[in-house]
Amino acid sequence: SSELTQDPAVSVALGQTVRITCQGDSLRTNYASWYQQKPGQAPLLVMYGKNDRPSGIPDRFSGSSSGNTASLTITGAQAEDEGDYFCNSRDSSFNHLAVVFGGGTKLTVL
Amino acid sequence: QVQFQQWGAGLLKPSETLSLTCAVYGGSFSDYYWTWIRQPPGKGLEWIGEIKHSGGSKYNPSLRSRVTISVDTSNNHLSLKLISVTAADTAVYYCARGSDQTPQGAWRSDYYYIDVWGKGTTVTISS
Repeated sequence: SSELTQDPAVSVALGQTVRITCQGDSLRTNYASWYQQKPGQAPLLVMYGKNDRPSGIPDRFSGSSSGNTASLTITGAQAEDEGDYFCNSRDSSFNHLAVVFGGGTKLTVL
Repeated sequence: QVQFQQWGAGLLKPSETLSLTCAVYGGSFSDYYWTWIRQPPGKGLEWIGEIKHSGGSKYNPSLRSRVTISVDTSNNHLSLKLISVTAADTAVYYCARGSDQTPQGAWRSDYYYIDVWGKGTTVTISS
């Protein structure tokens, strides 16, 4: 199966903009979805599809994609945005249509 | 509003069988991918597999020989069985709902996301 690659850690100053990226062959033909996870909690969907936010997710979160790379951008990062971010998508390799996750990016808001 | 209630043994010995059940409350049971995901301590998320209400299932190739996911549509229960466990199977196990429905209501296989997660069950494998 294919893999999704994320930077292990990213930091951003409070109120600034940060982009978290996810790379993988599956992203050439599948949209990425993004999850935020805080310690001791289940992941929370924050972005999916073309650029779709679930209800309740602030509009400072946005998504984009180009080639084999998907990005989650937080414009005006807040302290509560600190946590781990995971991407995932369908994995179309070998016709399995399985699911793959990125290794996660730890976001620190300074 | 879909909610999950998960239960199962939290401590197993190597070579035993892990069994977890997840009751799904609210919402439709059809049209979604009922999913198990795990997260070893301090590590990332690993997709275990999924099943649709009709019974069609898919598994992570790395676990396929040991895992069975089933669904009981009479009571909306989702189950996970993992045989011959080792310490490497120690993790928090989540049941979750996968979907490929766009906000406009269309179904697209390239639009996959997991929109509802259970609270997770910690399973420890230790002799």
